[in-house]
Amino acid sequence: AQSVTQPDIHITVSEGASLELRCNYSYGATPYLFWYVQSPGQGLQLLLKYFSGDTLVQGIKGFEAEFKRSQSSFNLRKPSVHWSDAAEYFCAVGGYNNDMRFGAGTRLTVKP
Amino acid sequence: EPEVTQTPSHQVTQMGQEVILRCVPISNHLYFYWYRQILGQKVEFLVSFYNNEISEKSEIFDDQFSVERPDGSNFTLKIRSTKLEDSAMYFCASSSVGPNTEAFFGQGTRLTVV
Repeated sequence: AQSVTQPDIHITVSEGASLELRCNYSYGATPYLFWYVQSPGQGLQLLLKYFSGDTLVQGIKGFEAEFKRSQSSFNLRKPSVHWSDAAEYFCAVGGYNNDMRFGAGTRLTVKP
Repeated sequence: EPEVTQTPSHQVTQMGQEVILRCVPISNHLYFYWYRQILGQKVEFLVSFYNNEISEKSEIFDDQFSVERPDGSNFTLKIRSTKLEDSAMYFCASSSVGPNTEAFFGQGTRLTVV
């Protein structure tokens, strides 16, 4: 089955600084990749997704992610972080059997 | 904007009791899912459901769990005899037309087993 690793449990960045959250996946076929954001006490909101085509995908709230097959990675980036971006971020990989596997999440703290 | 709705938002139950968590998926979606998130941990896949049957389930989804689509709109998760370790946030999700399309998540039901 597919799996996802998010190496960073917690990241702190200053407001206005750039951000990169790492995600590595394991899957035997072409992966379907997602980034979700979860604010405290809230559900999961989709930021962006990759199914095929252009390996650089744009999402909501100014986020983007780049699929790199050679590195089995799908890192999330944002050029300038806002205080409202503080949340938990989950990378997920979808398989053929209608199930998604999530990484452990990366908690983002934004310093003023 | 269509959304997945879950009720109740918070359920407290005694250990050994049965609970039913309810979800109303987005109306034209065909695939339905339950996920679990123990406090402070990652989101874990429990089960997916399509065409009135389970299409995939994880090792977590043992005999104490069952899912049902009792009518055209609801999708339920039943936990037969709750244990303390079942305390978690349970998320329902649905997706359209086929696998590997994005899943839309509900706000979750927080289950507390005491």
